[in-house]
Amino acid sequence: SQQGEEDPQALSIQEGENATMNCSYKTSINNLQWYRQNSGRGLVHLILIRSNEREKHSGRLRVTLDTSKKSSSLLITASRAADTASYFCATQETSGSRLTFGEGTQLTVNP
Amino acid sequence: DVKVTQSSRYLVKRTGEKVFLECVQDMDHENMFWYRQDPGLGLRLIYFSYDVKMKEKGDIPEGYSVSREKKERFSLILESASTNQTSMYLCASRRRTNYADTQYFGPGTRLTVL
Repeated sequence: SQQGEEDPQALSIQEGENATMNCSYKTSINNLQWYRQNSGRGLVHLILIRSNEREKHSGRLRVTLDTSKKSSSLLITASRAADTASYFCATQETSGSRLTFGEGTQLTVNP
Repeated sequence: DVKVTQSSRYLVKRTGEKVFLECVQDMDHENMFWYRQDPGLGLRLIYFSYDVKMKEKGDIPEGYSVSREKKERFSLILESASTNQTSMYLCASRRRTNYADTQYFGPGTRLTVL
């Protein structure tokens, strides 16, 4: 079964708006990672947040992690048409173990 | 930069054929993974390899086998392709560390089995 579940499944916004995607998971984790996938391509790692961290930033990306609620959110600020892609969260239960991916959120940023 | 390559972007095979999907990484990573991606199901792990000649089953190994004879190459084998194996196949690699680490993905192979 999927560990991570993203919400919403699809999101459509206008350029310049912020986009927020959520991920929930079921078991204890060592870290949670967000990946991006352009249509028909492989996944690209965006950001990793460890279980003892609550918030992390990278450029226009902001990730939060609430281990008590077993949830994470990815915020993309000032979105651009080029941000159009699918976004996946993935959890790692222990260091060195496999990743478990969610089903992804399809983000469309309209110019 | 880490580079993960897959032998084909698109592949069309017939039912019953033996299919080889090749994945090569150039960064001396110990761990390598094969996933398949289907609409509504996300990424599902087929097999992974922690090191040369080591392999472990993922969530959906049935109908697949793998080979890791060299560190840089991880092959996925469909012994007798079936139409339900039509999918996007993604390979990934990862350096083994004591810390949380990320996976690097290839561009994917879209396999169609007729």
